[in-house]
Amino acid sequence: DVKVTQSSRYLVKRTGEKVFLECVQDMDHENMFWYRQDPGLGLRLIYFSYDVKMKEKGDIPEGYSVSREKKERFSLILESASTNQTSMYLCASSLWGSGANVLTFGAGSRLTVL
Amino acid sequence: GENVEQHPSTLSVQEGDSAVIKCTYSDSASNYFPWYKQELGKRPRLIIDIRSNVGEKKDQRIAVTLNKTAKHFSLHITETQPEDSAVYFCAASTGGGSNYKLTFGKGTLLTVNP
Repeated sequence: DVKVTQSSRYLVKRTGEKVFLECVQDMDHENMFWYRQDPGLGLRLIYFSYDVKMKEKGDIPEGYSVSREKKERFSLILESASTNQTSMYLCASSLWGSGANVLTFGAGSRLTVL
Repeated sequence: GENVEQHPSTLSVQEGDSAVIKCTYSDSASNYFPWYKQELGKRPRLIIDIRSNVGEKKDQRIAVTLNKTAKHFSLHITETQPEDSAVYFCAASTGGGSNYKLTFGKGTLLTVNP
């Protein structure tokens, strides 16, 4: 019963390409997140959204943008991919409210930029 | 903003031994402290959490302790088993709603040797 689905598990793109990473959740969660995971650096927040069309910058938003047109879908966009954006990208969702909410993660999208 | 330091970065124990992972946080407003486990090739999942009004919480072989004065919290795993081998992430959370912020540590790779 997969609850957070990331459409692409592996992507290979070229420098300068526009990249879309899609995430869909079926738990009716208000919050959705995009994290980047790199060895030795842990999970770093890129953007999060607490409602449709709302977004907040995380710790490393530079070079990324997001879109949330529907409650269940949160997209991460790399306008012009660069080699330093090669990474594992994890989407997550949680309920609205206090900070004490469990994050449910997707399986991840491993992006390689050549 | 919040800074979460996690130690050690790697930990190797013999099956049956105990393992302890420690985290410190910087923002005294943090009020929720989850621990996530990520097995190789899988998504992170919550294994235990603690709120700021509680000093200790146990769930079978795992426990978490919190010292608000010192701003540190720890994960304790007793009677370790090979299936405990994974990367463990601590995190600290502040706020809620649009002010929600969850910051992760860099992770600890735990290896349990049979």
